Amino acid sequence: DVKVTQSSRYLVKRTGEKVFLECVQDMDHENMFWYRQDPGLGLRLIYFSYDVKMKEKGDIPEGYSVSREKKERFSLILESASTNQTSMYLCASTEDREEGKLFFGSGTQLSVL
Amino acid sequence: AQTVTQSQPEMSVQEAETVTLSCTYDTSESNYYLFWYKQPPSRQMILVIRQEAYKQQNATENRFSVNFQKAAKSFSLKISDSQLGDTAMYFCAFIQGYGGATNKLIFGTGTLLAVQP
Repeated sequence: DVKVTQSSRYLVKRTGEKVFLECVQDMDHENMFWYRQDPGLGLRLIYFSYDVKMKEKGDIPEGYSVSREKKERFSLILESASTNQTSMYLCASTEDREEGKLFFGSGTQLSVL
Repeated sequence: AQTVTQSQPEMSVQEAETVTLSCTYDTSESNYYLFWYKQPPSRQMILVIRQEAYKQQNATENRFSVNFQKAAKSFSLKISDSQLGDTAMYFCAFIQGYGGATNKLIFGTGTLLAVQP
């Protein structure tokens, strides 16, 4: 089975801290995604990557950056965390030519105080 | 721009009964895919069912089936013989079928389904 692992299930950080959210997938998928999930807003795409060192902005990239140095790992970085970034963050991956068939991690609930 | 609308924020159903979750979408494309994803309390989102727009036959996966009305741009999910384990948030999603590295999945806002014993 495909496994997408997010490093933390719950995270509490202070305003202004630099935050790293890590995601690792074990199925050699080309494409990886970071979503943010908020009540009433569904899932919104922050960034995605279709290859190592390649990245594309999603719908809400402001305040975030990403890194993909290895195919299996996709990191989301909050350069200076703010309270409005308190949210559930979901990582997902998929292989090429399987549009929309995403495999998700279990999410990281981030609280910024 | 494509949009996906789920007009039912919450629903409830008795165990063993049938429930239908609604989803409408807007697109000018003719080639696309539609999905239902399930997010149980464990938070792990999983794919429930996938429909290809060029297929007229409605997709079915065990107790889960869809009613795909292309002209009406409607894509509802029917859950038969509801079980307690079906309690979850359900998301409808859309993606264009042209492929390409920048193709993005668009999600609705979700419907929280509670199955009552």
